[in-house]
Amino acid sequence: EPEVTQTPSHQVTQMGQEVILRCVPISNHLYFYWYRQILGQKVEFLVSFYNNEISEKSEIFDDQFSVERPDGSNFTLKIRSTKLEDSAMYFCASRFQMYSNQPQHFGDGTRLSIL
Amino acid sequence: DAKTTQPPSMDCAEGRAANLPCNHSTISGNEYVYWYRQIHSQGPQYIIHGLKNNETNEMASLIITEDRKSSTLILPHATLRDTAVYYCIVTQGGSEKLVFGKGTKLTVNP
Repeated sequence: EPEVTQTPSHQVTQMGQEVILRCVPISNHLYFYWYRQILGQKVEFLVSFYNNEISEKSEIFDDQFSVERPDGSNFTLKIRSTKLEDSAMYFCASRFQMYSNQPQHFGDGTRLSIL
Repeated sequence: DAKTTQPPSMDCAEGRAANLPCNHSTISGNEYVYWYRQIHSQGPQYIIHGLKNNETNEMASLIITEDRKSSTLILPHATLRDTAVYYCIVTQGGSEKLVFGKGTKLTVNP
């Protein structure tokens, strides 16, 4: 069964450094998402992306964050200058949009640790 | 905030059916109910979704009440691997984002 794949599984970065988290969505999916989950807390929506544009973003997704689909397969989340509070699991999801009710499918996440 | 209410925890014996309830009294006519689960810190796994009719797939069944104000996820023969946090989610006002609550922590006991 097709899967969303995320790399790396664990990323350790110094505070203030830039980090790029990578995702390969399911191949025929057109809608892409990033969520995060701070340890012990709820899964939180960050951003949705369609047709090379952000379609929705949360208050968390400030100017330090950006997303890109640099080629036909990858979808990336960049954090420009990381803070300690960015430490979390980051999940990518994708959705096929023939009908609006199609579910989002998630990858297994990247654990981001900021030192 | 999530538009759904779920019990924080439930227990189930291995091999028995697990019935997980969810209240969504403010659901609108065109909003779907989605169920996901999360095992440890893995990514949320899609289980099933529905609008108003009952649905069944290889993982579970979804029973939605006629007034659509509540639903029940049924795992017909729970196994130890079904131990997870189960989330009932109703999408909000045409937004694509999934709003996760705290879910129900299901423990399947041997």
